[in-house]
Amino acid sequence: DAKTTQPNSMESNEEEPVHLPCNHSTISGTDYIHWYRQLPSQGPEYVIHGLTSNVNNRMASLAIAEDRKSSTLILHRATLRDAAVYYCILRANYGGSQGNLIFGKGTKLSVKP
Amino acid sequence: NAGVMQNPRHLVRRRGQEARLRCSPMKGHSHVYWYRQLPEEGLKFMVYLQKENIIDESGMPKERFSAEFPKEGPSILRIQQVVRGDSAAYFCASSPPGSRYLYEQYFGPGTRLTVT
Repeated sequence: DAKTTQPNSMESNEEEPVHLPCNHSTISGTDYIHWYRQLPSQGPEYVIHGLTSNVNNRMASLAIAEDRKSSTLILHRATLRDAAVYYCILRANYGGSQGNLIFGKGTKLSVKP
Repeated sequence: NAGVMQNPRHLVRRRGQEARLRCSPMKGHSHVYWYRQLPEEGLKFMVYLQKENIIDESGMPKERFSAEFPKEGPSILRIQQVVRGDSAAYFCASSPPGSRYLYEQYFGPGTRLTVT
C-alpha cells in the first residue's frame, strides 16, 4: 500500500470548518482513500472513503485532487467531540491485498472552545 | 445491532503469565482483524482471520502470539509468557463478508494489557 503524509497536528476553533490535508503522491489507480479517526482512549472509527470523486456523508466531506495525489478531509463545523487523531489510509482494491489497514502517525486535531 | 465487543477492557498480567483477549465481531461479519497500539504510537496490523482460518498473520510476532476464530464463539488473541514489552492496547476490528478491500472496518473499544 502506498504511503501517506499528514501534518502532525492541527488546531481549530469550535464551530469553524476544519480542512485536514493528506498527500499520497505514489497512489496507484486501484487505491481507495480512507479516513479513520481515533478519539482518546477509544478504538478507531471509520469516517469516509473515496476513489476519484468528492464524497459527502453525515460526518464529513472528502475532497480528492484531480490527479489523486492529495486529498482533504473537511469537517464543516468542528465540535469538541471532533478532537481526535485523524488517519488518512490508502487501501488497495485487488486480490494481492488482504485488506488490513496501515496506520501512519495521523494528524492530532485539537478543538478550542 | 451491537458493535464489536472486546473483553476484558483492562487486563493486568505478571511477566510470564498468559493473556487471552476476546473479540466478538458485529453480527453477520465474517472478517476479523487484530491490531496492536503501543504507547504513543499508531496501530499496527497483527493478524487477519475468517471463520476457522488464519488468512494473514504477517504482523504477528513469531513467538508467543497466536490467534483463532473458531466456528462458534469469539476470536481469541493469546499471548503466552507475557513480557513488559507486550503492554499495549489491542484492538479488534470486523467487516462484512464480501469485498474486504472496500468495506470499512468496525473497531472494538480495545483491551488494554498491562504487564507488571
